[in-house]
Amino acid sequence: TQLLEQSPQFLSIQEGENLTVYCNSSSVFSSLQWYRQEPGEGPVLLVTVVTGGEVKKLKRLTFQFGDARKDSSLHITAAQPGDTGLYLCAGGLYSGYALNFGKGTSLLVTP
Amino acid sequence: ETGVTQTPRHLVMGMTNKKSLKCEQHLGHNAMYWYKQSAKKPLELMFVYSLEERVENNSVPSRFSPECPNSSHLFLHLHTLQPEDSALYLCASSQDSDRHYEQYFGPGTRLTVT
Repeated sequence: TQLLEQSPQFLSIQEGENLTVYCNSSSVFSSLQWYRQEPGEGPVLLVTVVTGGEVKKLKRLTFQFGDARKDSSLHITAAQPGDTGLYLCAGGLYSGYALNFGKGTSLLVTP
Repeated sequence: ETGVTQTPRHLVMGMTNKKSLKCEQHLGHNAMYWYKQSAKKPLELMFVYSLEERVENNSVPSRFSPECPNSSHLFLHLHTLQPEDSALYLCASSQDSDRHYEQYFGPGTRLTVT
């Protein structure tokens, strides 16, 4: 059973456009992390959100954790080709060692 | 070397071979993980080690055998693999094994089983 559903699965946009990707679940998470993975490399942590309703900004990236701690979104403003990659969300439940990963959103930004 | 390193980066092996994947972390972390990443599937946690002790084994077939000789090194020994085991194998580390701690990943080993 997959706990985290990410949408859209694929997204292809042009440089300068804005976009939002989503991470949804029916489970409540104690924390949620976003990673970006480039081809041939491991995921790189972008942000961790821990409080319901929390909003964090990282330059042109805005992350939001839902009030109920079941969902999260990532908004990118004025996308650049360097934003291309696989965006993964991962949530920690209130018990256990594991992070539960979504399948990811594959983003392509063309010049 | 900084962060998490993995060797080899690419590996092709036959179904009867025995090989090992190596992971080293230079972050002073206490926990290390093996993940499997296959196409169209979420990352699958395979093993978790905390202070060199295995704390989680997610129903992984016995043809995968982990080893953690110290908190900086993690191995994954492979034998009699199947073609469906072809995937990207990622190592990660974190300050501790609690799920809240941020995980830092290595670049992965791309494994092809022929």
